[in-house]
Amino acid sequence: EVQLVESGGGLVQPGGSLRLSCAASGFTFSSYRMSWVRQVPGKGLEWVANIKQDGSEGYYVDSVKGRFTISRDNAKNSLYLQMNSLRAEDTAVYYCARDRTPVTSGSSGYWGQGTLVTVSS
Amino acid sequence: DIQMTQSPSSLSASVGDRVTITCRASQSISNYLNWYQQKPGKAPKLLIYAASSLQSGVPSRFSGSGSGTDFTLTISSLQPEDFATYYCQQSYSTAYTFGQGTKLEIK
Repeated sequence: EVQLVESGGGLVQPGGSLRLSCAASGFTFSSYRMSWVRQVPGKGLEWVANIKQDGSEGYYVDSVKGRFTISRDNAKNSLYLQMNSLRAEDTAVYYCARDRTPVTSGSSGYWGQGTLVTVSS
Repeated sequence: DIQMTQSPSSLSASVGDRVTITCRASQSISNYLNWYQQKPGKAPKLLIYAASSLQSGVPSRFSGSGSGTDFTLTISSLQPEDFATYYCQQSYSTAYTFGQGTKLEIK
């Protein structure tokens, strides 16, 4: 069974940093592109970033470029999102998601339960 | 970035109704269009990928169509469990984007 479990969310002050983790199991992690998607409570979905299977390239939404870094450790079956210079508008539930198939499709067939990040003083 | 616009933003319908949600891209995205369903407090669920392919396990009352810039999600006969929010997403560019969502409510 595919499982994605996010952790690392919490309360952080503006300008601070946080590192989210996503522990993957039930599939060959290194074969799939992975993504982070966020959602402000009560609002819509926003794609944040994704990363190639080998970790060689990551792509970002403009609003987080230069502040967030997506990475992965295929030996540990783990996905990460390093978030620096956090702003109030980064407050959201952050979901980890897996591409539907190993051949990059852009559709996320599996999702974690999400972890809440709150940026506030 | 490619902008995705859904219509309507909200919709009231009854069990058994046929419902159509539209998604328009700001530029051609071929068939790189996916549809998700989300219920309150839950993660999104993939319904349709590549504009018209039904994800495994999704009921056949859901269907998708379109290519280029205009796409539709159709639910042929609404069931009580279908009342949720629906999102389109383009995966044509390296920066994926979602539509703003369509909330489907019970009339």
